[in-house]
Formats: sequence, C-alpha cells, structure tokens
Amino acid sequence: ETGVTQSPTHLIKTRGQQVTLRCSSQSGHNTVSWYQQALGQGPQFIFQYYREEENGRGNFPPRFSGLQFPNYSSELNVNALELDDSALYLCASSDRDFGDTQYFGPGTRLTVL
Amino acid sequence: AQSVTQLDSQVPVFEEAPVELRCNYSSSVSVYLFWYVQYPNQGLQLLLKYLSGSTLVKGINGFEAEFNKSQTSFHLRKPSVHISDTAEYFCAVSAPGGNNRKLIWGLGTSLAVNP
Repeated sequence: ETGVTQSPTHLIKTRGQQVTLRCSSQSGHNTVSWYQQALGQGPQFIFQYYREEENGRGNFPPRFSGLQFPNYSSELNVNALELDDSALYLCASSDRDFGDTQYFGPGTRLTVL
Repeated sequence: AQSVTQLDSQVPVFEEAPVELRCNYSSSVSVYLFWYVQYPNQGLQLLLKYLSGSTLVKGINGFEAEFNKSQTSFHLRKPSVHISDTAEYFCAVSAPGGNNRKLIWGLGTSLAVNP
C-alpha cells in the first residue's frame, strides 16, 4: 500500500504566474482534500474532491481551482499568484465511505517572489 | 460550525517528563477528533483519532488522548517524552454528518523537549 505523494517538493514562482501542484492518493481512497498552511499557522481548508466532483470549498478565491482524475489523483491550480500564496500546500486522501480519516502527503512548499 | 482552540502555543518540557497538550473544541453536532504531529519541513502525521466508543484513545509513539464531551476537550498526553517528540502538534475536528468532512484545525502547539 503506497502513501500519499505530492510533487513537486519545492517551487519558486513570481507574482502573476500560474502553478499546478499534484497529489497521488493512497491506494483505495476516493477523496482528496487540499489545505494551505502559512508559516506558523494551522492548515486552512481549500477544497475537497470526492469521486471526481468538488465536494466543498473553503474561503479561497476562484483563482484556486482543482481537479480529481479517475484514478483519484488530484491537481491544485493557482492562477495570478500573489505574495500571500506563499505557503506549504498539503494534500490529504481519505475514503469518504469508510471512516474518512485523512492521511497527508509531505506537502509542496510554494514561494512567490 | 466547528472551531478548535489549542490552549498552549508552546510547551517546553524536559526529557522523560510527562506532558499534556490541551485542546478544546466547539460544535453544535457530534464530531470526530484528531491529533496530528508535524516535524520540521514535513507533512502531517496522524497520531490518534476519536470516532466513537471508548473515550480513551491510544495512538502511536506512546501518545494517548481522552475525549471529554462535557468539557468539550480532547487533551493529548504522554507519560515520558523523548527528544524526538519535539515537533508541532495540531488538534483537528470534523463533523461526520456533513457533506464534506473537512478538518477544522487549531493553531498548533510547539512541543520542545529539552535534555
């Protein structure tokens, strides 16, 4: 059984650019949740995908968007990057039909200059 | 809506001493409760969880937590800490009956274990 993986590990972008972050779910999981963790803060919920459909969204603007694929892997896309988007982006996979405990990947550290 | 308060932002402790990290939550519905640990520059690792049943929950690395519904608390404890327990600890809740089971997080408690 493989765990949750994320790529890339680190990323540096400039303001106004676009970025795509990727997440591979743990085997057998059908749900992916994305969180943003600013330095020294707790994670903030961005959105969740269940069986390829968005299943809830936090207080993030529309320039944060996502996808979930048939194999339940996922992407987080951020357009028009702002300095405040600099953070650790965490992906968590779970099985919404059985207990729904979320297991996290190592995260992608995004720096916006 | 749910909220989580971690009562201590930093907890310094000596090696082999006991430790308690405090977490209170607010919710109008039943909740699931979790403790995660985050080592420097890493993701979040699940320590333990309360879904139902026994209010005393045992997790990995010798940690345990007790769910107290009347006090809406879920404090994390370890009888004897090691240097390697130095990390950031997060308490989180989710509402099992909701459309999405997003996690609501506390701000974290930084545990520093000193020799």
